Amino acid sequence: NAGVTQTPKFQVLKTGQSMTLQCAQDMNHEYMSWYRQDPGMGLRLIHYSVGAGITDQGEVPNGYNVSRSTTEDFPLRLLSAAPSQTSVYFCASSRDRSEGNTIYFGEGSWLTVV
Amino acid sequence: DAKTTQPTSMDCAEGRAANLPCNHSTISGNEYVYWYRQIHSQGPQYIIHGLKNNETNEMASLIITEDRKSSTLILPHATLRDTAVYYCIVKRAAGNKLTFGGGTRVLVKP
Repeated sequence: NAGVTQTPKFQVLKTGQSMTLQCAQDMNHEYMSWYRQDPGMGLRLIHYSVGAGITDQGEVPNGYNVSRSTTEDFPLRLLSAAPSQTSVYFCASSRDRSEGNTIYFGEGSWLTVV
Repeated sequence: DAKTTQPTSMDCAEGRAANLPCNHSTISGNEYVYWYRQIHSQGPQYIIHGLKNNETNEMASLIITEDRKSSTLILPHATLRDTAVYYCIVKRAAGNKLTFGGGTRVLVKP
């Protein structure tokens, strides 16, 4: 049981390039989400999904796209990277939307846009 | 979701109990109190959560006041590996979105 797996762990992009951060979970969790964390700050929600085929925006969605074609995978796409997107990205998953549910996080993806 | 207030930082002696306070005076009746911690360069780690009653697990204890306006996370015997940023989060029952504040930076000293 690997939990929540993120790839790549480190990435450097040039401004305007596109890339996809991968997130996979093997716990059959319905709910998945992406957060970003800037230096010295708490995590902020980018996008989330309550199940396959369903996605919605979080607090800071601009510049990011997501899709959820399977229960296991929830990739985050940067279509045209900007220096403001330099951050650490965390993927999270949980069993469902019910109260008292534990949310599990991946180990993070460090992205630098130059 | 209700906002939480935590001290910015605190130190704790190794082997002693660490008591981390959190104020959530605007908490509503169906909101849970969650605690997560983030060790440097790692993803947030779940510690404990509660609604009304005090809770205990293998990692920590959570004490919630009777009016639910504040809570305390207790690490009974702090170790150097407990050095981390601890986040107190209030989460409404419907939905799984976590709103992180600044947290408390805990430094456990030998």
